[in-house]
Amino acid sequence: DAGVIQSPRHEVTEMGQEVTLRCKPISGHNSLFWYRQTMMRGLELLIYFNNNVPIDDSGMPEDRFSAKMPNASFSTLKIQPSEPRDSAVYFCASSLIRTTNEKLFFGSGTQLSVL
Amino acid sequence: AQTVTQSQPEMSVQEAETVTLSCTYDTSESNYYLFWYKQPPSRQMILVIRQEAYKQQNATENRFSVNFQKAAKSFSLKISDSQLGDTAMYFCAFQGSNFGNEKLTFGTGTRLTIIP
Repeated sequence: DAGVIQSPRHEVTEMGQEVTLRCKPISGHNSLFWYRQTMMRGLELLIYFNNNVPIDDSGMPEDRFSAKMPNASFSTLKIQPSEPRDSAVYFCASSLIRTTNEKLFFGSGTQLSVL
Repeated sequence: AQTVTQSQPEMSVQEAETVTLSCTYDTSESNYYLFWYKQPPSRQMILVIRQEAYKQQNATENRFSVNFQKAAKSFSLKISDSQLGDTAMYFCAFQGSNFGNEKLTFGTGTRLTIIP
């Protein structure tokens, strides 16, 4: 298996532009997580899905952020409009949550720079 | 809500020595999971070791072992015979076992440098 695939690996954009980050989880996994990593705040959970349904989106900063999971093999995180403070590394992770928890597998992250 | 605290922002140790990274957490749950993740400069998040709270025995993975003290809510990572490739950020993380609480809550990390 190729693991969790995120694209793009790097994104540079100007303030006010729309940014879309993409994630393909590991096949067969039923849970998907979006994390944001910054120097100041460390790793923060933005949102997570179970069986394509959002379970906890309390970490989504504000209405400028939205996430979707239209099917089990694809998720997007969108920022519109983007701001310089959104600059961070965004990680996607997936897992197979059954009766006992399993470990999370992380993608390589997207480094977002908003100028 | 769960919290995870790593009180050592940075540590350094000579190659081949042993180093221990500290982690404490707070939760009201009785069963949960604890993890140590490694993040090298490549920024890939790599699982180092995993501990289930209901298991008394401390987890071990080759040179990596944990000291899990449930009553004290402490979960430290010991790296024996440290190697240059161990240089990385290390994150302690908590995961609940109840449905709806499968997310990982991370500490702020410890930057470990192995000195040749």
